[in-house]
Amino acid sequence: KNQVEQSPQSLIILEGKNCTLQCNYTVSPFSNLRWYKQDTGRGPVSLTIMTFSENTKSNGRYTATLDADTKQSSLHITASQLSDSASYICVVTGGGNKLTFGTGTQLKVEL
Amino acid sequence: DAGVIQSPRHEVTEMGQEVTLRCKPISGHNSLFWYRQTMMRGLELLIYFNNNVPIDDSGMPEDRFSAKMPNASFSTLKIQPSEPRDSAVYFCASTYQGPRERQYFGPGTRLTVL
Repeated sequence: KNQVEQSPQSLIILEGKNCTLQCNYTVSPFSNLRWYKQDTGRGPVSLTIMTFSENTKSNGRYTATLDADTKQSSLHITASQLSDSASYICVVTGGGNKLTFGTGTQLKVEL
Repeated sequence: DAGVIQSPRHEVTEMGQEVTLRCKPISGHNSLFWYRQTMMRGLELLIYFNNNVPIDDSGMPEDRFSAKMPNASFSTLKIQPSEPRDSAVYFCASTYQGPRERQYFGPGTRLTVL
């Protein structure tokens, strides 16, 4: 069964600190993996998209990594800001363009 | 471009009523997606269209749900009859190429079925 598991479920960090969110998947075959940021009350916004051959991709202070062998991805946030407080969702596209969604990590950045 | 436009933003209806959600994708995009999001199940893909043609509707929960895309600039998601368990936020997203490309989400429609 295709699954995407994210950890931690929730996280609280202080402004300026770094953090790393994890995504493990069992989707096969694999097409791509995406990280989304979703602010409360808004639609998700795409942060990164990675295919099988890509093992790292950055978008400003966000850096995603992908290990297709171990089927793991991480999203690293550098020098966190209050505006980073949001839900971060990992989505894996598999065969037939089927999407499997993680349940998200809720991040809160505090002063 | 105004981005993906959805209407209404909020809908409260009674069980058994018909609900129609509307979406206008970004001009020039050729793929459109309908998602549902709840606290319990997270984000779920309901259906997606490519060049106005439904490609995958396996996520549509049951026959009460139907979606149409009569042209490249408009799509509807209809629930008839609605039930309380349909309460969720419904998102529409569009992209230029297809499911593998970056998707742009609308603001969502928050549906409450009493």
